[in-house]
Amino acid sequence: GAGVSQTPSNKVTEKGKYVELRCDPISGHTALYWYRQSLGQGPEFLIYFQGTGAADDSGLPNDRFFAVRPEGSVSTLKIQRTERGDSAVYLCASSPGYSGQETQYFGPGTRLLVL
Amino acid sequence: AQSVAQPEDQVKVAEGNPLTVKCTYSVSGNPYLFWYVQYPNRGLQFLLKYITGDNLVKGSYGFEAEFNKSQTSFHLKKPSALVSDSALYFCAVRDMKTSYDKVIFGPGTSLSVIP
Repeated sequence: GAGVSQTPSNKVTEKGKYVELRCDPISGHTALYWYRQSLGQGPEFLIYFQGTGAADDSGLPNDRFFAVRPEGSVSTLKIQRTERGDSAVYLCASSPGYSGQETQYFGPGTRLLVL
Repeated sequence: AQSVAQPEDQVKVAEGNPLTVKCTYSVSGNPYLFWYVQYPNRGLQFLLKYITGDNLVKGSYGFEAEFNKSQTSFHLKKPSALVSDSALYFCAVRDMKTSYDKVIFGPGTSLSVIP
């Protein structure tokens, strides 16, 4: 079946602009995660959705970052007033549930470059 | 604090030789441990996980990992390396302070298999 998809694959923007990154999870997966991966580092947790609600947004670095999942499927990560330090690969993952023993399945990521 | 360490930034091995990628962890209680692989410009692919049971876990592409509680390690192994195994490998541990599947990733180890 189809895996997790993310669009766009690459995004170049200018400092101060607004960007939206989209994630399409595996069909039927109720749990969705966003991670940020900077060059040479492992992914860092940003936010977790359980259905439509953000159950844990403790990883969002500041209030410029926001994410939604209005219908419990597709999610959008929104970054306002982008800064050069936001440049990274943004990864989305989904899992069937939230048992605490689930495997997360990752999308290919969106590579964001803020000039 | 909960954490994952991958003590080697890079590992080089000749094709056909056995490979080991090291991982140690620090969590409270019994850990849930994962290995993911990342090929260039691709998302993370799940290899294997340890939740409970047999300390030797077998995963995709001929990889296996051994959970060692006394040494708090979860090293990834393969008996005979292939050039196509060259990639970035991430060890991860479930954040046991949460009831869901939030994971903490290590910094990654770059594996190069030399023909």
